[in-house]
Amino acid sequence: QITLKESGPTLVKPTQTLTLTCTFSGFSLSTSGVGVVWIRQPPGKALEWLALIYWDDDKRYSPSLKSRLTITKDTSKNQVVLTMTNLDPVDTATYYCAHLTTGATWIDYWGQGTLVTVSS
Amino acid sequence: QSVLTQPPSASGTPGQRVTISCSGSSSNIGSNYVYWYHQLPGTAPKLLIYRNNQRPSGVPDRFSGSKSGTSASLAISGLRSEDEADYYCAAWDDSLSGPVFGGGTKLTVL
Repeated sequence: QITLKESGPTLVKPTQTLTLTCTFSGFSLSTSGVGVVWIRQPPGKALEWLALIYWDDDKRYSPSLKSRLTITKDTSKNQVVLTMTNLDPVDTATYYCAHLTTGATWIDYWGQGTLVTVSS
Repeated sequence: QSVLTQPPSASGTPGQRVTISCSGSSSNIGSNYVYWYHQLPGTAPKLLIYRNNQRPSGVPDRFSGSKSGTSASLAISGLRSEDEADYYCAAWDDSLSGPVFGGGTKLTVL
């Protein structure tokens, strides 16, 4: 059974750096074809892809946020970490991590999400 | 502004058939599979349709997906009150090298 859970601060001040951790079980990030993706959703708005990382350490970033994002994995701990710099109130959103596969079902299992509020 | 275009709302009465459209371009829907997710308030999205028209186990056959060119659609037949949710389409985008999503459609069961 695949599960993912996001953790990190719920409140961040403008200009600060946000670090979110996705801890997962039920799969390994050393398995060919597997990845983890970060997606966010501002309150009442649509989903927005942020970054993804594959089993082979291939990393992709949303072009609009690339300069502010870093994604890394720790295969031994079953964790993926997303770092976002220079936070702004418009970054207030629920942040989700999800299991991604190059197989049929693609982005198929999602974490419960964590709400991050950017405010002074 | 989302890369994929969906109507912001849709509605129907119990038992009816409702369709939700999703429009993209050659770099996403036109050359890759389409996926559909539904999201109940306060919960994470859940995979509803994969690879254009395939249902994960547990998804009723009332839900069906189709794709033609750079557009796709989700059809829900025999509408039920529990179908009231937000629905999102998604696809890989070759130009962005990442997933893109629609703006979401809020389905109301009248």
